[in-house]
Amino acid sequence: DQQVKQNSPSLSVQEGRISILNCDYTNSMFDYFLWYKKYPAEGPTFLISISSIKDKNEDGRFTVFLNKSAKHLSLHIVPSQPGDSAVYFCAAAYYGGSQGNLIFGKGTKLSVKP
Amino acid sequence: EAGVAQSPRYKIIEKRQSVAFWCNPISGHATLYWYQQILGQGPKLLIQFQNIGVVDDSQLPKDRFSAERLKGVDSTLKIQPAKLEDSAVYLCASSLGFGGGTQFFGPGTRLTVL
Repeated sequence: DQQVKQNSPSLSVQEGRISILNCDYTNSMFDYFLWYKKYPAEGPTFLISISSIKDKNEDGRFTVFLNKSAKHLSLHIVPSQPGDSAVYFCAAAYYGGSQGNLIFGKGTKLSVKP
Repeated sequence: EAGVAQSPRYKIIEKRQSVAFWCNPISGHATLYWYQQILGQGPKLLIQFQNIGVVDDSQLPKDRFSAERLKGVDSTLKIQPAKLEDSAVYLCASSLGFGGGTQFFGPGTRLTVL
C-alpha cells in the first residue's frame, strides 16, 4: 500500500515556464514533507520542505504548497531551467512520535526543454 | 563540509555470493540510514541507526541482510547470500539529530546480481 503517490512518471516543460509536480499521501499522521531532486548516478539532494502547520514554503524559484484537507502537495518551479531536469521525489515523515523515517513516492522525471 | 561517502560505487556479483557496502556519514551526524532503491521506485528504508543503536530495521530482510555501525560513525551493510531481486541502488543517508531533520544522501552503490 503506497502511502506517498506521485502519479505522473514524467513531465516535460519549456524553459522559462512553470513546472508543477504533484504528490498525494494517504497517512494523515504525516507532519513533515520534503522534496528531493536526483540526477543520474547521484544520490537524492534535498530541495525544500514544509511542515504540516504551514500551507506554503518558498525558496527562490521553488515553492511547495500543502493542502492538508486534500492530502496533497505540489512543487512549483518558476521559471524552469534546463538544469532542473532531474527526477523529483516527494517524501513524507511523521516526526511527532516516531523516528522520522521518510516514505518516498516513486518520483517524477522532469525534462525542461531549451 | 564533506558529504556522505559510499563505496564501492558499482558492484556486480553472481547470485548466492556475498557483498558488503560501506558508508561514512557527514561528520557529527548521529543518525544513519540505509535505503534500497529498486529501478522505477522511490528509496525504501532498510535500517536506521541512532549512534550505535538500531532504531528501526523492520523492513530489513534479516535472513540475508545485516548492518552494523560499531563505533557510531561509519557503517557496513552486507548481503549474504544475494538474490536476483537484490539488484538495486543502495543509498546511505545521515541526519544531524534524531526523529527529524533533513537527511543527506550519499551517491549510492549500484548492485547488479546475475
